[in-house]
Amino acid sequence: AQTVTQSQPEMSVQEAETVTLSCTYDTSESDYYLFWYKQPPSRQMILVIRQEAYKQQNATENRFSVNFQKAAKSFSLKISDSQLGDAAMYFCAYRSGGAQKLVFGQGTRLTINP
Amino acid sequence: GAVVSQHPSWVICKSGTSVKIECRSLDFQATTMFWYRQFPKQSLMLMATSNEGSKATYEQGVEKDKFLINHASLTLSTLTVTSAHPEDSSFYICSARKSGVTYNEQFFGPGTRLTVL
Repeated sequence: AQTVTQSQPEMSVQEAETVTLSCTYDTSESDYYLFWYKQPPSRQMILVIRQEAYKQQNATENRFSVNFQKAAKSFSLKISDSQLGDAAMYFCAYRSGGAQKLVFGQGTRLTINP
Repeated sequence: GAVVSQHPSWVICKSGTSVKIECRSLDFQATTMFWYRQFPKQSLMLMATSNEGSKATYEQGVEKDKFLINHASLTLSTLTVTSAHPEDSSFYICSARKSGVTYNEQFFGPGTRLTVL
């Protein structure tokens, strides 16, 4: 079974600085998708960014980018120019290409210091 | 857009009663919906996958007679917690898969907080 591991329960960063959240996963499949979700205090899950395993290019969405290392099974999220609104729980998730369900990591709580 | 709603947003009930939570996809059809449970400061745990017009598929360890799921239409799935007990108190989140798009992305509802007294 696939597993997703986030080894950083909590992270903090100064406003306007850059922070990187780590995620590793374990799979024997070649076709899969990886995601980062944000869960602010409202508890609403918001998709931040997705990455297809077959794509070598790292995904980017404005201030959010990933470092996808397929051989190392690593999928880190970089947040540039951190803003107060970025404070939230961040979950890394995996989905098999042929499956429907998501497998979530344990989450990282990100605090932004003004 | 792709909006998913849940009702109620919070509910308090007495032990032994049943509680129904609704999950609706407001602007798209969802042949598949998912129900998650989230304990404080923990991750989301998938409880079951709900497919329109068929029986739900439950994850290992989830009691199907305890958590009844009905997906009667392409926009509505319901989760009924039967004979609720304090240990069922949790945050329940649904998501809906938007069919026909490349990534089959899941869109999440805002969640329902259940407190069983």
